[in-house]
Amino acid sequence: SQTIHQWPATLVQPVGSPLSLECTVEGTSNPNLYWYRQAAGRGLQLLFYSVGIGQISSEVPQNLSASRPQDRQFILSSKKLLLSDSGFYLCAWSQGPPYEQYFGPGTRLTVT
Amino acid sequence: AQKVTQAQTEISVVEKEDVTLDCVYETRDTTYYLFWYKQPPSGELVFLIRRNSFDEQNEISGRYSWNFQKSTSSFNFTITASQVVDSAVYFCALSEETSGSRLTFGEGTQLTVNP
Repeated sequence: SQTIHQWPATLVQPVGSPLSLECTVEGTSNPNLYWYRQAAGRGLQLLFYSVGIGQISSEVPQNLSASRPQDRQFILSSKKLLLSDSGFYLCAWSQGPPYEQYFGPGTRLTVT
Repeated sequence: AQKVTQAQTEISVVEKEDVTLDCVYETRDTTYYLFWYKQPPSGELVFLIRRNSFDEQNEISGRYSWNFQKSTSSFNFTITASQVVDSAVYFCALSEETSGSRLTFGEGTQLTVNP
């Protein structure tokens, strides 16, 4: 069966510091991978998605970037965090169609 | 462009009541897929169900049931005899054949079941 991992679970970082969040999927090959952000009490915002190694699509222009160095690894990064980067970050994977997505446990990021 | 509307921002019920969460979608594709997800307080989104555009059969799974009606572009979710553990945010989502692997999510409905 497939499993998706995210780490760290929680993170507190000062403004201006770098960020690296990692997501890995087990039990499948060539998945589609996604990064979402969820502000407190709000809906899901798609940040990036990838249909293959090295293929990244950005949905929202911002100071975040994503990379996919391996087939089942997806990394979200920032060189300098902003206060507005605080939120709950979710990684997901899918295959398909019909493309239902399966989500990881999430990383709660607080920028201070 | 595709759109998912969950007009109910928050719903509060007493345990054992039935509750229906509404979802209305917009799409120009003839082939599309609809989903419901549950997000408990822990935060992880849990996939509940998928429905294909060419299959309008309603579905029942225990206390959960889903009513898909293409004529009204709706995909509503009913919880029968609600329980406190049903308290969560519920998201409806849509994917279209032409938009590939991206999902369009509604804004979610916060369901609170009080004992």
